[in-house]
Amino acid sequence: DAGVTQSPTHLIKTRGQHVTLRCSPISGHKSVSWYQQVLGQGPQFIFQYYEKEERGRGNFPDRFSARQFPNYSSELNVNALLLGDSALYLCASSLSGGKTEAFFGQGTRLTVV
Amino acid sequence: GDSVTQMEGPVTLSEEAFLTINCTYTATGYPSLFWYVQYPGEGLQLLLKATKADDKGSNKGFEATYRKETTSFHLEKGSVQVSDSAVYFCALGLNSGGYQKVTFGIGTKLQVIP
Repeated sequence: DAGVTQSPTHLIKTRGQHVTLRCSPISGHKSVSWYQQVLGQGPQFIFQYYEKEERGRGNFPDRFSARQFPNYSSELNVNALLLGDSALYLCASSLSGGKTEAFFGQGTRLTVV
Repeated sequence: GDSVTQMEGPVTLSEEAFLTINCTYTATGYPSLFWYVQYPGEGLQLLLKATKADDKGSNKGFEATYRKETTSFHLEKGSVQVSDSAVYFCALGLNSGGYQKVTFGIGTKLQVIP
């Protein structure tokens, strides 16, 4: 079975640009969460989506947005990129939004120059 | 707010040594507790979990006990191997509005030398 897949694996962008990161959850999983992991830190929660609706949002500016599609895949969008947005962005999928195990993808490494 | 505090690394051990990585938490409700492992260049993998007080999670020789009285969830392994070298994250999960928000610690890098 395929795990959580994220694309692209690496990305380099310039300050002020926009970026879209993609995530495909494990088949049958309806919930997707996004995390930002800055080098040397633990992952920080950004969003959770369940059944195409936003169910939770972390402490991130409005430059960060996301959506979930009918096939449960998800996109994370970041506008007006800052140098501080450079991080590993992790996607996790789970069966539902509650107390179910989350499975993580390998992440997208975003570098803003 | 909710938070997780874990010992900073790196931790360097010889093969077959005993491992302890300390983790304490602060939470407003009754969290589930997790240990995740991240191998170089990979995403996070759930290592073990405990969902209520006094539960013991265990996997691959690692274990941790949910201690509500000390708000701790220390990770232990009796005999580490070189293949255990990775970054270990302690985390707590709380349900809020129908979703589970997971809060991670800073991570502890473990290096096991032959």
